[in-house]
Amino acid sequence: GEDVEQSLFLSVREGDSSVINCTYTDSSSTYLYWYKQEPGAGLQLLTYIFSNMDMKQDQRLTVLLNKKDKHLSLRIADTQTGDSAIYFCAESMYAGGTSYGKLTFGQGTILTVHP
Amino acid sequence: GAGVSQSPRYKVTKRGQDVALRCDPISGHVSLYWYRQALGQGPEFLTYFNYEAQQDKSGLPNDRFSAERPEGSISTLTIQRTEQRDSAMYRCASSPRRAYEQFFGPGTRLTVL
Repeated sequence: GEDVEQSLFLSVREGDSSVINCTYTDSSSTYLYWYKQEPGAGLQLLTYIFSNMDMKQDQRLTVLLNKKDKHLSLRIADTQTGDSAIYFCAESMYAGGTSYGKLTFGQGTILTVHP
Repeated sequence: GAGVSQSPRYKVTKRGQDVALRCDPISGHVSLYWYRQALGQGPEFLTYFNYEAQQDKSGLPNDRFSAERPEGSISTLTIQRTEQRDSAMYRCASSPRRAYEQFFGPGTRLTVL
């Protein structure tokens, strides 16, 4: 079955790097995602990685995927106070046709950035 | 361009009443998804559509919940005889053809008294 787990809290100082970790159980996952949720706002897609990749970099964001251990991480370089939010890891599987089906989310990691 | 919109943004209802939540996807998006998010949790899948066809409704908790997308655009999630445990944020997402990205709307906060 599908299960996505994340640590609940992370606190860092402004300017430091943040690393948010996630583990998943479904080995047939095709895409893995990171979403950001700010208070009162919707879910914002930050980045995603296809399951045949090991790493993806996008400006301050670096995603690392270890398929053997089913471990996904999101590194935010030079973390700013505006990065304070809840970060969700999610996985999806190809559902046939034109669709990638449902997303299975972790419970979210609350990132707090201190000045 | 316009993103996914949902209405109402907030809905307070009494136990036993029916509610209808609306989702207006990004224009031209083929797939539409409904999720429910309890406080302190990640969103949980309810159901999804490709065009007007409901592809998967395995996440609907019981037969009080139903969804439709009759013209392949706007979708309505209906909860009949609401219960307090139905209180949650209901989120809608849409996705273009052959795409793996889902774009979320702001959600509808449902409170059942």
